[in-house]
Amino acid sequence: DSGVTQTPKHLITATGQRVTLRCSPRSGDLSVYWYQQSLDQGLQFLIQYYNGEERAKGNILERFSAQQFPDLHSELNLSSLELGDSALYFCASGAGEVNTEAFFGQGTRLTVV
Amino acid sequence: GNSVTQMEGPVTLSEEAFLTINCTYTATGYPSLFWYVQYPGEGLQLLLKATKADDKGSNKGFEATYRKETTSFHLEKGSVQVSDSAVYFCALSSYNTDKLIFGTGTRLQVFP
Repeated sequence: DSGVTQTPKHLITATGQRVTLRCSPRSGDLSVYWYQQSLDQGLQFLIQYYNGEERAKGNILERFSAQQFPDLHSELNLSSLELGDSALYFCASGAGEVNTEAFFGQGTRLTVV
Repeated sequence: GNSVTQMEGPVTLSEEAFLTINCTYTATGYPSLFWYVQYPGEGLQLLLKATKADDKGSNKGFEATYRKETTSFHLEKGSVQVSDSAVYFCALSSYNTDKLIFGTGTRLQVFP
């Protein structure tokens, strides 16, 4: 158990809909990272938050957004969903602002139908 | 920019065979290097790490040595088991990197 909790584990939704994925980092970790894993794209970094502030942005679509709350949990919002958004979404947490090691949650499997 | 290149899979081995999964990197400065493992249906788990040149990371019989001269961090295990079947990711981070940079992953399949 990494100490990182993601909910829900599975999500099935229709195209055009909006969903929210939730992540609770390990106790004491200030950084939260979101990654997307799909069969054809591998593991893609989406975005990082550190202590409530956006720290780094990767290949995140404009339809996607995230935030980190004062209690350090984070949410990833995906809107206007398309079939191609079907993937595993992982949250990871780390202690520092610059990533030296990350602990991953079990992931949320999103299926868009 | 920083990047990680891994050998393509799948790697298919019989139980008790020797394993090598190659990983090379490009980075400015002195990155930290990691191997993560993803078992079927699970998230990524840190397998081992090395933070400076010539360091050897080891865990569960797996080893990798940080080779600055060849910019490599190859994963090895002397005798694989069926339970080692998983996808293995090489990754790096450095002082100028805001995130872990992953390789594409290498699927290992071990048969009895």
